[in-house]
Amino acid sequence: GAGVSQSPSNKVTEKGKDVELRCDPISGHTALYWYRQSLGQGLEFLIYFQGNSAPDKSGLPSDRFSAERTGGSVSTLTIQRTQQEDSAVYLCASSLVGRTDTQYFGPGTRLTVL
Amino acid sequence: DQQVKQNSPSLSVQEGRISILNCDYTNSMFDYFLWYKKYPAEGPTFLISISSIKDKNEDGRFTVFLNKSAKHLSLHIVPSQPGDSAVYFCAASRTTTSGTYKYIFGTGTRLKVLA
Repeated sequence: GAGVSQSPSNKVTEKGKDVELRCDPISGHTALYWYRQSLGQGLEFLIYFQGNSAPDKSGLPSDRFSAERTGGSVSTLTIQRTQQEDSAVYLCASSLVGRTDTQYFGPGTRLTVL
Repeated sequence: DQQVKQNSPSLSVQEGRISILNCDYTNSMFDYFLWYKKYPAEGPTFLISISSIKDKNEDGRFTVFLNKSAKHLSLHIVPSQPGDSAVYFCAASRTTTSGTYKYIFGTGTRLKVLA
């Protein structure tokens, strides 16, 4: 079956512009996660959606970052007024409820802010 | 302040031998630990997990050991195969009333298995 997909795979933008990253989770997975991996760093938790519950946004680094999940499926991560330190690979993952250990990751979006 | 550390950025092992990947953590409240494997241009894939109530979990060629007193876990791959060449991430989480989902990942160890 189809795995987690993310688009675009690569995004180059200028400092100060807004970007939107998209994640299509595996059908039936109610849990969705966003992470980012900066150069030389581990995966950094950003946000967690579970069903209709309020998302855990505790990992978002600043108020320039926001995410939404429409209809319990597709999610978008928006970064406003991008900065060079936002350059990273942004990974989305999904899982079944109660199986948060077995997260299925997408291939990521590589964001470069010039 | 990195709560999960993988101090070896890379490791090379001969095919057929044992690969041992190490991970240290600082938060004694962590109670669930994972290993993920990542190939280039792909997202990480789940490999094996262990709960803090256990000190060992085995799945085929992969065994994870947990030493709670030392706050240390390790992944053993026996025998190592060239297809195991990848970056390995360990991750840890603390169970809260909301569940166990907020994993802290290490920076990864790149394993190269030499044929």
